[in-house]
Amino acid sequence: QKEVEQNSGPLSVPEGAIASLNCTYSDRGSQSFFWYRQYSGKSPELIMSIYSNGDKEDGRFTAQLNKASQYVSLLIRDSQPSDSATYLCAVTAGRRALTFGSGTRLQVQP
Amino acid sequence: NAGVMQNPRHLVRRRGQEARLRCSPMKGHSHVYWYRQLPEEGLKFMVYLQKENIIDESGMPKERFSAEFPKEGPSILRIQQVVRGDSAAYFCASSPENTGELFFGEGSRLTVL
Repeated sequence: QKEVEQNSGPLSVPEGAIASLNCTYSDRGSQSFFWYRQYSGKSPELIMSIYSNGDKEDGRFTAQLNKASQYVSLLIRDSQPSDSATYLCAVTAGRRALTFGSGTRLQVQP
Repeated sequence: NAGVMQNPRHLVRRRGQEARLRCSPMKGHSHVYWYRQLPEEGLKFMVYLQKENIIDESGMPKERFSAEFPKEGPSILRIQQVVRGDSAAYFCASSPENTGELFFGEGSRLTVL
């Protein structure tokens, strides 16, 4: 079982729609959760972090965490073509370095 | 404030040669991480270092690979006797603390002929 699992996609949504990206993790001791965005040929960049159960909103992005279900999600409202990228879920616990999922490729159709 | 600097950006080596990848973290960052990414795949953790210390090298192959982060100078990821399977993008990231909020360099793309 992979430590962090994501559907590879591609997830295709029309411009203006809500994109929903999901992630599950196996280590119940995980404490911190992150979403990184990676454009093709570029390096990852942090877009959201979440540490406690519930929702966290930042602009068009909402991260959701459910520790009981070991589930993290990212919602992107009013999706734009510029949001087309690979979204990487990542988790960490204790002194361990960040563990990434394999990413979900999002395509926003104009 | 300069970001994480990696060099070389592109490196071509023949099988059996050595590859050295360098990473200068952001100013004020003492935690450095190396990740490897194959095409169309996620980031695979290799090693986590803090100044002069290896904190976690559980993701690094036991043979041919080594990493260091000396008191002065950049962190170096060294791959000896490269093989074609080593061809990948190697990303370095840094952070001021081990919080998971990483700042990535542009990566070094290694091609082994």
